[in-house]
Amino acid sequence: KQEVTQIPAALSVPEGENLVLNCSFTDSAIYNLQWFRQDPGKGLTSLLLIQSSQREQTSGRLNASLDKSSGRSTLYIAASQPGDSATYLCAPYGNNRLAFGKGNQVVVIP
Amino acid sequence: EPEVTQTPSHQVTQMGQEVILRCVPISNHLYFYWYRQILGQKVEFLVSFYNNEISEKSEIFDDQFSVERPDGSNFTLKIRSTKLEDSAMYFCASSGGTRESTQYFGPGTRLTVL
Repeated sequence: KQEVTQIPAALSVPEGENLVLNCSFTDSAIYNLQWFRQDPGKGLTSLLLIQSSQREQTSGRLNASLDKSSGRSTLYIAASQPGDSATYLCAPYGNNRLAFGKGNQVVVIP
Repeated sequence: EPEVTQTPSHQVTQMGQEVILRCVPISNHLYFYWYRQILGQKVEFLVSFYNNEISEKSEIFDDQFSVERPDGSNFTLKIRSTKLEDSAMYFCASSGGTRESTQYFGPGTRLTVL
C-alpha cells in the first residue's frame, strides 16, 4: 500500500520568500505524481503533473521535481504571495489511483 | 474552462438512509473516480470507473457503496445504508485520454450523517 508523507506539516513564511515543500512515498512503481492545492473547505486544484520519466516540471512560479527511485518529490514556489496560503497535497499515481499525503499547510504572511 | 461539477454541495441524512451523490465529469473524459476526505484526514481513494465498469476499488468501497454512469454524462455514488462514519467530503474526479492523465476534481459534496 502506498504511504505518502509530507514534511513540514505546516509552515509560515513572510511574503517574498521561496517555499520548499517535501513529499516522500514508499512505492516507487508510479506512473506520475500530481501536486494539488486545497483551500479550507474546498476541492482540490491541480497544480502540476510530473510524469515518472521526468525529473522536473514547471508552471509559472511553481517547479516540481521527482526522484522516483528514491520516492521523493519537492514542490518549489518562488517569491511567495499571501494568495499562496493553502494546503498543498502530493499524490503519486499507481494501481489506478492517487494516494495522498496529509499535506503541507502554508501561511504566507504579508 | 471545463470543470467537474458535483451536487448537492451539502447533504444531511439520517443513519441508515440511502444517499446518492452526483457528479458531472468533464465531457470528453473517460476515467472517473470517487475519493473522500474525513474532516482533518487524508484524501482517500474509493473507486475508479472506466468503460462502464469498476476498474479498481479500495477496501473502503464495500457492498454498501455502488457507482453508476446512468446517462453518459452523470456519474453517481450511492451509499445504501449510511453510517455515522460515512460523514465526509466526497470528491469526484475525472481524467481524459489515458488513466495516467491529470485528474481534475470537483468541489465536493459534504455528507453529514446524523
